[in-house]
Amino acid sequence: DAKTTQPTSMDCAEGRAANLPCNHSTISGNEYVYWYRQIHSQGPQYIIHGLKNNETNEMASLIITEDRKSSTLILPHATLRDTAVYYCIVRVAGQGNEKLTFGTGTRLTIIP
Amino acid sequence: NAGVTQTPKFQVLKTGQSMTLQCAQDMNHNSMYWYRQDPGMGLRLIYYSASEGTTDKGEVPNGYNVSRLNKREFSLRLESAAPSQTSVYFCASARLAGQASNTGELFFGEGSRLTVL
Repeated sequence: DAKTTQPTSMDCAEGRAANLPCNHSTISGNEYVYWYRQIHSQGPQYIIHGLKNNETNEMASLIITEDRKSSTLILPHATLRDTAVYYCIVRVAGQGNEKLTFGTGTRLTIIP
Repeated sequence: NAGVTQTPKFQVLKTGQSMTLQCAQDMNHNSMYWYRQDPGMGLRLIYYSASEGTTDKGEVPNGYNVSRLNKREFSLRLESAAPSQTSVYFCASARLAGQASNTGELFFGEGSRLTVL
């Protein structure tokens, strides 16, 4: 699996859009991009994933660049409850023997 | 639907003691994982299992053993606990990514907080 790099921390004002970048320059053609978040000391929670098209769900939007070497998670209207550590990982489609590794993620702080 | 269940939630051990962390999932997932998370750090993969009967080392396997007892259960054993193993341990499970009607997401348990004195 390809490695990812993310900024260590970010701040965002409440009500504004939070844009979290992720670089995955060695991603392969059959690898999906996944985003998770971890609030306090809870288990990480799935947010969204995509292969090459932009994706949107009730939680967030995922923008993947055309060359797929980077992506951005967008929380459109950040609330205080979005304060968490956000992890970007890549995962090969259809492969069960996966050494899924998480980096240190981005600590997002929503400021009132 | 309980999802991923870990036991115990909290445990205090003395150096040299042994214990097993239990993990069970009721979602018929193929893959299961054990991660540890030290204070202020990210998740590090200890061991994983792609299917019943198979296990593989992750990033930090030393000092641990695992057993994939059946499709539902994946246990993590500390044979001789050390203070460096003080951490929060997370178990996770997933189906294969890319299958129809399947997001391939990982589902995590609530964590097991282990302190080794």
